[in-house]
Amino acid sequence: DTEVTQTPKHLVMGMTNKKSLKCEQHMGHRAMYWYKQKAKKPPELMFVYSYEKLSINESVPSRFSPECPNSSLLNLHLHALQPEDSALYLCASSQGGSYNSPLHFGNGTRLTVT
Amino acid sequence: TQLLEQSPQFLSIQEGENLTVYCNSSSVFSSLQWYRQEPGEGPVLLVTVVTGGEVKKLKRLTFQFGDARKDSSLHITAAQPGDTGLYLCAKQGAQKLVFGQGTRLTINP
Repeated sequence: DTEVTQTPKHLVMGMTNKKSLKCEQHMGHRAMYWYKQKAKKPPELMFVYSYEKLSINESVPSRFSPECPNSSLLNLHLHALQPEDSALYLCASSQGGSYNSPLHFGNGTRLTVT
Repeated sequence: TQLLEQSPQFLSIQEGENLTVYCNSSSVFSSLQWYRQEPGEGPVLLVTVVTGGEVKKLKRLTFQFGDARKDSSLHITAAQPGDTGLYLCAKQGAQKLVFGQGTRLTINP
């Protein structure tokens, strides 16, 4: 079982919907990440939070809005998505706020935008 | 952009065979991580190699870090269907990990 929990596992949403993806870890890790993974491709970094502050935004469109309410939780708010945003969204965490520490991934939310 | 090249991109072999996948870079890296991602799951860290020439073993998996720290390999002995998955190498980049494109491995019973 993974120590990073993501909900929901699957999500289907229309282009006008607003939804949120949630991620939780209780390992005391101080860095948390959102990745997007398309089929047959490696994960692509979207956002990094370090000590609850946004430290990296990889030029992600504003229809994706991250939020880190506390050191254990990470949300990704979705609004007005496009069909090409359909993908597996992975959350990860690492120790000490270091960007290069090994990552612990959740099992992802498979998002389909219709 | 600090690229990591993995080869082969796809590999399909029979159970019991041996295989090697490679991860190469044109620049030196201080450490390298290997992950395996099984269908429907997130990537899971297998190993981190740090020292040039280092060899680490994880049951039937042997990881090697090149002496010049520009390349790494993963050798699997007597592959099992449970080894099926996407194998990703990752190295330190500027403030983030950089992933290779992955090797998609299928072990046929």
